[in-house]
Amino acid sequence: EPEVTQTPSHQVTQMGQEVILRCVPISNHLYFYWYRQILGQKVEFLVSFYNNEISEKSEIFDDQFSVERPDGSNFTLKIRSTKLEDSAMYFCASSAQGYYGYTFGSGTRLTVV
Amino acid sequence: AQSVSQHNHHVILSEAASLELGCNYSYGGTVNLFWYVQYPGQHLQLLLKYFSGDPLVKGIKGFEAEFIKSKFSFNLRKPSVQWSDTAEYFCAVNLGGSQGNLIFGKGTKLSVKP
Repeated sequence: EPEVTQTPSHQVTQMGQEVILRCVPISNHLYFYWYRQILGQKVEFLVSFYNNEISEKSEIFDDQFSVERPDGSNFTLKIRSTKLEDSAMYFCASSAQGYYGYTFGSGTRLTVV
Repeated sequence: AQSVSQHNHHVILSEAASLELGCNYSYGGTVNLFWYVQYPGQHLQLLLKYFSGDPLVKGIKGFEAEFIKSKFSFNLRKPSVQWSDTAEYFCAVNLGGSQGNLIFGKGTKLSVKP
């Protein structure tokens, strides 16, 4: 069964550093998403991406965040200058058509120290 | 703002007990409803979904959920749980017409004692 692959599984970074989280969505999917889950809290939507541009973003997704699909297979989330409160599990997801066939990756645990 | 509420934070059951996890949402328009499960150390997996039609939805691993529009609820049920059902369960809502982003509840941790 096709999978959404995320790397790395765990990243530790110093406060103020830039971090890039990587995702390889399912190859024929057109919609891409990032979510995050702070420990003990709910999974929160960050951003959706379609047709090479952001289609929706939440209040969390401020100027410190950006997304990119640099080469037609990877989908990346960049945090420009990490803060302690960015520590969370970040999930990538992709779907063929909106909410149909949503598939999540296994997540990247980001720890900001 | 739209929200999803899961009232049980942690449920502990013995094997063979029946399960019902509550999920309520606050949105008056068309919704699409989902239950996801996250086993320890693994990714979110879809258990079942409701888009339209029969409000009683059957999913994988013997789970089912019932959409009650008048109560804004989508409770998850299983008649007889197994130890392997130990996991965290998330209810999620997609607002009809949106680009597909999901609004999640806080999750319910289920522990099944052998």
